[in-house]
Amino acid sequence: KNQVEQSPQSLIILEGKNCTLQCNYTVSPFSNLRWYKQDTGRGPVSLTIMTFSENTKSNGRYTATLDADTKQSSLHITASQLSDSASYICVVSGGNTGTASKLTFGTGTRLQVTL
Amino acid sequence: KAGVTQTPRYLIKTRGQQVTLSCSPISGHRSVSWYQQTPGQGLQFLFEYFSETQRNKGNFPGRFSGRQFSNSRSEMNVSTLELGDSALYLCASSSGLAGVNEQFFGPGTRLTVL
Repeated sequence: KNQVEQSPQSLIILEGKNCTLQCNYTVSPFSNLRWYKQDTGRGPVSLTIMTFSENTKSNGRYTATLDADTKQSSLHITASQLSDSASYICVVSGGNTGTASKLTFGTGTRLQVTL
Repeated sequence: KAGVTQTPRYLIKTRGQQVTLSCSPISGHRSVSWYQQTPGQGLQFLFEYFSETQRNKGNFPGRFSGRQFSNSRSEMNVSTLELGDSALYLCASSSGLAGVNEQFFGPGTRLTVL
């Protein structure tokens, strides 16, 4: 069964600190992996999208890594800001059952950045 | 370019009623996907439409249906509403099929069923 598991479920950090969120998946065959940021009550916003051949991808203070061999990804946030408080969702595309790849969503990590 | 728009933004209905939600994708995008998001379940995939054809479907009952028009705009319909249908309904558009192309999400429609 295709699954995406994220850890931790929630995290509280002080402003200015770094943090790393984890994503493990069992989706096969693999097409790509995405990280989204979702503010409460709003639609998710794409941070990165990585294919099999990409190990690292950055978007400002956000850096995602991918290890396709161990089926793990991480999202590192540098010098956190209050505006980083949000849910971060890992999404894996793949597990083809036909002509269209399916997206499997993790349940997200809720990050709270405090003063 | 304008982003993905969804209407209405908020909706209150009673059990047994039906509801239609609308999604206008980013100009030029041909794929529209619909998702249901509840606090306990996270994002659940409903269906994806590409060039007016349903390409993928999630595990939802037949009360949930959708369609896509020739201008790529999409509607989602839920009939015989249940209390458990209360959720944030999100649509996302992409230039090609969602599985291989970046998706852009709309702000969502918050549906409350009383």
